[in-house]
Amino acid sequence: QVQLVQSGAEVKKPGASVKVSCKASGYTFTSYAISWVRQAPGQGLEWMGWISTYNGNTNYAQKLQGRVTMTTDTSTSTAYMELRSLRSDDTAVYYCAKAGAAAGWFDPWGQGTLVTVSS
Amino acid sequence: EIVMTQSPATLSVSPGERATLSCRASQSVNSNLAWYQQKPGQAPRLLIYGASTRATGIPARFSGSGSGTEFTLTISSLQSEDFAVYYCQQYNYWPWTFGQGTKVEIK
Repeated sequence: QVQLVQSGAEVKKPGASVKVSCKASGYTFTSYAISWVRQAPGQGLEWMGWISTYNGNTNYAQKLQGRVTMTTDTSTSTAYMELRSLRSDDTAVYYCAKAGAAAGWFDPWGQGTLVTVSS
Repeated sequence: EIVMTQSPATLSVSPGERATLSCRASQSVNSNLAWYQQKPGQAPRLLIYGASTRATGIPARFSGSGSGTEFTLTISSLQSEDFAVYYCQQYNYWPWTFGQGTKVEIK
């Protein structure tokens, strides 16, 4: 079955960077894009960006431009999201999700990775 | 940026009753709208895409309708496992955006 498995929880200090991984299985990795979505504690969902697993093209949310980089390793069917210059308001659960066929819905989602930014 | 507004924020419903959730877009998103269900401590789950197409494995009691700026998710007869938070999301324009969510709670 299609599955996305993310890396484990992280605790970082303000100003540091975090890199979250998302390993895909059960489908042809390069046929579907990956999006990243985050959810601050008790809050709603925020789309962070999108990466084409076919050619590496990206589209990031403007508020994260310059701090976020999304990459893929097609040899291991793994997507990565790196966020730099972390602030306390970056504390959230970060999800990867497989994009729908040629469209922007998300199915399925990874289990989520909690990133805590605290001094 | 397209703003997605969901109403109501909280919906209190008895098991077996119908629930109707609304989602409004600040401008037309055609039929490029999805609905997700999220339970506490879990990742969201896709229910509906293309405004009205049920995702694989989603029970027929879930239905979506609408196009343009007004959308509705209907749960025809609420089951205990349906009490959760529901989000709409548009994917017609970058950046893709979510509504703030509707919590469906037991009355």
